[in-house]
Amino acid sequence: DIQMTQSPSSLSASVGDRVTITCRASQSISSYLNWYQQRRGQAPKLLIYAASSLQSGVPSRFSGSGSGTDFTLTISSLQPEDIATYYCQQSYNTPPTFGQGTKVEIK
Amino acid sequence: QVQLQESGPGLVKPSQTLSLTCTVSGGSISSGNYYWTWIRQPAGKGLEWIGRFYTGPSTNYDPSLYNPSLKSRVIISLDTSKNQFSLKLTSVTAADTAVYYCARDPGYSSGWHYFDYWGQGTLVTVSS
Repeated sequence: DIQMTQSPSSLSASVGDRVTITCRASQSISSYLNWYQQRRGQAPKLLIYAASSLQSGVPSRFSGSGSGTDFTLTISSLQPEDIATYYCQQSYNTPPTFGQGTKVEIK
Repeated sequence: QVQLQESGPGLVKPSQTLSLTCTVSGGSISSGNYYWTWIRQPAGKGLEWIGRFYTGPSTNYDPSLYNPSLKSRVIISLDTSKNQFSLKLTSVTAADTAVYYCARDPGYSSGWHYFDYWGQGTLVTVSS
């Protein structure tokens, strides 16, 4: 299985801050990388697919980049409703695997 | 708007079979090229893909695909008359205690696999 490693595991930032989460794959996965947001007690929600494509309805402050083994999710201006855990997921091969999550809190 | 809803027992005894159903509304489960998927999440932990069932016109390969770590215990099936798909996990242990989600993967047509619609999740506890 492809291992996905996220960093940091948690972060605390102020409203309006730029936030960056990184995800590293144990082997090259081209651009087969998705990002999800999971608010407390809710199902995950797709934010970004194919490394950089914004899912319909997702605010433009979210963006994704990267290819190969290194990827980033950026929130350009953190909002209170962005408090959540964020997961990356590779879809390069089966089984699809997820990172361990990055918990984002407001400072 | 596609919606998914899990249902099934919240408590299962060790060694028994966990059975869950996902009811899909807002679209036919048998139309379009989709993978209908189960994913689970133990409390406070990350997400684990369980498996998927393909619906579409291609008949060239097995429509079901499972995580190798669970393959010997998992069956995913469809009931198109009820617009539902189901998960059966046999010989459960406490390690199978988790929130179970059903989800849709539209990847067959585009080649990009991701989970765009999710159910709200249902907690299944394995305990005697």
